[in-house]
Amino acid sequence: DTAVSQTPKYLVTQMGNDKSIKCEQNLGHDTMYWYKQDSKKFLKIMFSYNNKELIINETVPNRFSPKSPDKAHLNLHINSLELGDSAVYFCASSDRDLWGQFFGPGTRLTVL
Amino acid sequence: DQQVKQNSPSLSVQEGRISILNCDYTNSMFDYFLWYKKYPAEGPTFLISISSIKDKNEDGRFTVFLNKSAKHLSLHIVPSQPGDSAVYFCAASAGFGNEKLTFGTGTRLTIIP
Repeated sequence: DTAVSQTPKYLVTQMGNDKSIKCEQNLGHDTMYWYKQDSKKFLKIMFSYNNKELIINETVPNRFSPKSPDKAHLNLHINSLELGDSAVYFCASSDRDLWGQFFGPGTRLTVL
Repeated sequence: DQQVKQNSPSLSVQEGRISILNCDYTNSMFDYFLWYKKYPAEGPTFLISISSIKDKNEDGRFTVFLNKSAKHLSLHIVPSQPGDSAVYFCAASAGFGNEKLTFGTGTRLTIIP
């Protein structure tokens, strides 16, 4: 009964490939996020969706495309993977009326 | 341009003593601040928050202090316990309900038994 879950936990792939990371939350929250934690451990927001609508897009390359089929899911698709995409990607969710974002366990992406 | 800074990458504290983690920010629009705790291979967990209308918020062993004029906040943990060993992230946002959090780079706290 994990609150925010991500799959896969680890992803190793070659440069140029296309990959997806899935996120699901069972908290009934209306807002979901994707964060990237780079090699310097800097945790930075990429996207935020509220009720399936994009509300934050932090100048992320077009190769990254989030998709929210419903408010419990926010998937991240990455085209033409590059070495610099190697990082840990965290999904999170929150409720507008309560503070604090709930994070998933992270997906460690390694691009070779 | 790092708007939230945690200048100590690591800190070691004896069990039972007080742990003090520091955070500085540069954006004067920030008015809501949060602390997250992160264990290895897990996502960050929300710990405690403070609004800029307060200068202190306490929750059990955890207290956050905010000094707006210095643009500085700190997290005090007392007494420190071995389970507190983790990476602590400071985060800030411009207003309650604003989903955009800006995180610091974290401080690794190690509690020595």
